[in-house]
Amino acid sequence: AIRMTQSPSSLSTSTGDRVTITCRASQDISSYLAWYQQKPGKAPKLLIYAASTLQSGVPSRFSASGSGTDFTLTISCLQSEDFATYYCQQYYSYPLTFGQGTRLDIK
Amino acid sequence: QVQLVESGGGVVQPGGSLRLSCAASGFIFNNYGMYWVRQAPGKGLEWVAFIRYDGGNEYYADSVKGRFTISRDNSNNTLYLQMNSLRAEDTAMYYCAKDFEAVASFDYWGQGTLVTVSS
Repeated sequence: AIRMTQSPSSLSTSTGDRVTITCRASQDISSYLAWYQQKPGKAPKLLIYAASTLQSGVPSRFSASGSGTDFTLTISCLQSEDFATYYCQQYYSYPLTFGQGTRLDIK
Repeated sequence: QVQLVESGGGVVQPGGSLRLSCAASGFIFNNYGMYWVRQAPGKGLEWVAFIRYDGGNEYYADSVKGRFTISRDNSNNTLYLQMNSLRAEDTAMYYCAKDFEAVASFDYWGQGTLVTVSS
């Protein structure tokens, strides 16, 4: 199985900050990567697919890049509603696998 | 609008069985692959199973292979997960999710149904 490793596991940040989360795959997954946001008690929400394509309705302060094994998710100017946990997911091959998550906390 | 509504969760003893259902609406169900994804309390997301749009292909996580069976009823727009030989480590919120444009990511999720395996 392809292992997905996110860093950091948690981050204390403030509204207005620029935040970058990284995701590393244990093997080349081309651009077969998605990012999700999950708030407590809620189902995850698809933010990004194909490594860098913003899902419809997702604010433009979210952006992502990468290919192969190294990927990043950037939030350019954190809003209060962005404090959540973020997961990457590879869909290059089965079994589909997620990173362990990155939790954004209010500093 | 797309809606996915899970049901069937509950408390079950180790070794027991449970069948989860996911009622889908707001999209052409038989055009899309469907998934089950779970999340243990306080933990991350784990993909569980996939079924092709026509039921013709299935994949499972190693952790559930041979114990869980995914199926679908396209005439009733319903997805199922039959869970047998349940273990404590199967305790989780179980989400059904819709395939996003056949790229094995998930664009719509249900609200989840909680399965607790405990004696």
